[in-house]
Amino acid sequence: LAKTTQPISMDSYEGQEVNITCSHNNIATNDYITWYQQFPSQGPRFIIQGYKTKVTNEVASLFIPADRKSSTLSLPRVSLSDTAVYYCLVVLYNTDKLIFGTGTRLQVFP
Amino acid sequence: DAGVTQSPTHLIKTRGQQVTLRCSPKSGHDTVSWYQQALGQGPQFIFQYYEEEERQRGNFPDRFSGHQFPNYSSELNVNALLLGDSALYLCASSLFDNSPLHFGNGTRLTVT
Repeated sequence: LAKTTQPISMDSYEGQEVNITCSHNNIATNDYITWYQQFPSQGPRFIIQGYKTKVTNEVASLFIPADRKSSTLSLPRVSLSDTAVYYCLVVLYNTDKLIFGTGTRLQVFP
Repeated sequence: DAGVTQSPTHLIKTRGQQVTLRCSPKSGHDTVSWYQQALGQGPQFIFQYYEEEERQRGNFPDRFSGHQFPNYSSELNVNALLLGDSALYLCASSLFDNSPLHFGNGTRLTVT
């Protein structure tokens, strides 16, 4: 499974758009890119998953360029409640074996 | 619709003891995975159960074992506890068809 690299931490302010970029240079053809959010003392929560181009749901967008060596999670108009750790994962299709890194700690200020 | 539930929420054990953690998957899910999360680290995959069999395993010793029951619920057993086993143990469930994992809020195990 491809290893991912993402910033250790990011700061933002309420109402701003936050983009968290993840590098995954050796992603394989059958791998998907998945993002999870985790609050302290809670389990990770699925945010979004994609294979290529752009995926959007009610909480986030995921942008994946054609070479798939990186991806960007976009959170529109963050609020204080978006303060959490965000994990970028490369996931082999049809497996529950997720390889988590240390994630990006997002701090949103008023 | 209940999500993934884990019990107990907190547990304190002594080195050398054995512990059993329990997990009920989200309604409709048939696959359960277990993860260990040390403080400040990302979760680490322990193993996955489907159809009452262990299907995949991470780099954990045989002291870590599990079971899945016909109702899809699961147990994680850890024998001969070490101080380093202190962590948040997360259970996740899914359908065996590439659906995203749904995690419980974990059991916080402290080994003294």
